[in-house]
Amino acid sequence: AQSVAQPEDQVNVAEGNPLTVKCTYSVSGNPYLFWYVQYPNRGLQFLLKYITGDNLVKGSYGFEAEFNKSQTSFHLKKPSALVSDSALYFCAVRDMGSGEYGNKLVFGAGTILRVKS
Amino acid sequence: DTGVSQNPRHKITKRGQNVTFRCDPISEHNRLYWYRQTLGQGPEFLTYFQNEAQLEKSRLLSDRFSAERPKGSFSTLEIQRTEQGDSAMYLCASGRSNEQFFGPGTRLTVL
Repeated sequence: AQSVAQPEDQVNVAEGNPLTVKCTYSVSGNPYLFWYVQYPNRGLQFLLKYITGDNLVKGSYGFEAEFNKSQTSFHLKKPSALVSDSALYFCAVRDMGSGEYGNKLVFGAGTILRVKS
Repeated sequence: DTGVSQNPRHKITKRGQNVTFRCDPISEHNRLYWYRQTLGQGPEFLTYFQNEAQLEKSRLLSDRFSAERPKGSFSTLEIQRTEQGDSAMYLCASGRSNEQFFGPGTRLTVL
């Protein structure tokens, strides 16, 4: 079964510093990986995805993620953090068991990002 | 705003009552998903529609839960005889290929 792990419950970073939110995955076959962000009392917003191609994926709001097949990781990064980046971040993988057309997602438990000014 | 809307945003009910939630997806999206999110956890898949056909249901979806998507447009999720363990955020998402766009969710509290 497909799964993702987010090893850190919370990440603290100072505004202007680079940030990394970690994600590792376990899949059979080629992974389809996603990052979403959730602000309080709101739904999830799509940040970026990796399907195939370049290992460095660029997404919304200046975020990027690096796919590393040998380490089975897909860490989210941003060169310079903003206070407004403070939110809950979820890594997800497509569950290939849902068939060619399913696309259901399996989410990690989430990582709270706190950016302090 | 992703373009996916859900109503109501909040629902408080007493144990044993039935509740129904509605999701209006982005109009050109043929796929619609329901997820449940409890505090401190990531969303968990409940069920999936392609157009009006319900193609997959999670084991989490007990027989008290039913979902429909008449005419492949909006969808409803009904929970019968609610239990306190049903308290959660219920999220709807729609999509066409690999991306899913989530609505704001309906927060259910069962007293």
